[in-house]
Amino acid sequence: DAGVIQSPRHEVTEMGQEVTLRCKPISGHNSLFWYRQTMMRGLELLIYFNNNVPIDDSGMPEDRFSAKMPNASFSTLKIQPSEPRDSAVYFCASNPTGISGNTIYFGEGSWLTVV
Amino acid sequence: EDKVVQSPLSLVVHEGDTVTLNCSYEVTNFRSLLWYKQEKKAPTFLFMLTSSGIEKKSGRLSSILDKKELFSILNITATQTGDSAIYLCAYGSGNTGKLIFGQGTTLQVKP
Repeated sequence: DAGVIQSPRHEVTEMGQEVTLRCKPISGHNSLFWYRQTMMRGLELLIYFNNNVPIDDSGMPEDRFSAKMPNASFSTLKIQPSEPRDSAVYFCASNPTGISGNTIYFGEGSWLTVV
Repeated sequence: EDKVVQSPLSLVVHEGDTVTLNCSYEVTNFRSLLWYKQEKKAPTFLFMLTSSGIEKKSGRLSSILDKKELFSILNITATQTGDSAIYLCAYGSGNTGKLIFGQGTTLQVKP
């Protein structure tokens, strides 16, 4: 199994630009999570999908952030316009059943720097 | 508000030492507590605990949960430099699949 696949692995962009992060969950997993990690705030859950439907987006910081999951094998997290404080590692993770507390499997992260 | 607090936030030890990492939580509908290890890249799963008093063990690592006192510990015996990492504690609550993570403990093991 290829695991959770994220792209790009690294991105440096200028403030004000649109950023799109992509994720392919593990095949057969029906829950998908977007997390953001910074030194100050640790790992924060941004949004969670179950069977392609957003279940909880209470962690999305503001309207500049949006996420979609058009099908079971693809999700995007978009930041428009980006700001320097968005610089972080963005992890996508998936879970086979969506049952509370089950192990989730992380991708290798997208390292975003906004200058 | 549900939360999980880890301590210490950082720790430096020498090879061969034993370390204990702490995780306390306050959640309204607890289901499970998980430990992850994060080196340079993605967090990788270590343990999932759902029942009090039952120790989970994997090599030099072990973990136990106390649901009455609302905490968990992760022990690492005979530490090695390869144990240097961020150790993350997370809980799962309610009926959703999501996990909420603590701040993590950064462990550095010196030769």
